[in-house]
Amino acid sequence: DADVTQTPRNRITKTGKRIMLECSQTKGHDRMYWYRQDPGLGLRLIYYSFDVKDINKGEISDGYSVSRQAQAKFSLSLESAIPNQTALYFCATSVSADYNEQFFGPGTRLTVL
Amino acid sequence: GQNIDQPTEMTATEGAIVQINCTYQTSGFNGLFWYQQHAGEAPTFLSYNVLDGLEEKGRFSSFLSRSKGYSYLLLKELQMKDSASYLCAVRDSNYQLIWGAGTKLIIKP
Repeated sequence: DADVTQTPRNRITKTGKRIMLECSQTKGHDRMYWYRQDPGLGLRLIYYSFDVKDINKGEISDGYSVSRQAQAKFSLSLESAIPNQTALYFCATSVSADYNEQFFGPGTRLTVL
Repeated sequence: GQNIDQPTEMTATEGAIVQINCTYQTSGFNGLFWYQQHAGEAPTFLSYNVLDGLEEKGRFSSFLSRSKGYSYLLLKELQMKDSASYLCAVRDSNYQLIWGAGTKLIIKP
């Protein structure tokens, strides 16, 4: 079984809809991250969480919100989806900042029409 | 601003050696990472450098020069399965990863 899972894997939605992307991990890591990836651009950090009570904005948090329901679960919400939020979204986990090798989920391909 | 530069695309021949360069300008430096990403898949960790010099791991090696803001990933004995994008990422003073756009490596028989 995969250590980091994301649901759904693909989603097509319409402008203005609220969307939730979910991430679960069985690695026992405290740190979790949400990124988006667009063609020709590097991964960009949306939000990150160092533990259940610690959530931080990343580079591009506007239009997004997150919830850390448990150590193993970190959800990303698009409050009112817009077409330029069409992208590949990745969840990642890591043990600590000192080494910070990140383990990625398989990604969610989101299309906003 | 923070910036990571990598070539957009490179082509190499099966069995050969290829070097993928990465230059960076970041607010602080706390390590440099290389990841491999096959099309449509998640990035997977390849290497980590925090001190100057060469780190070797099988067919892959990674080099770092902090004074020059420069790293390279060296892939030897190329195989068709090495066709992928290679992502360079630098951990800045806030311990956040700043990612390059990636280098798409095409391997030809």
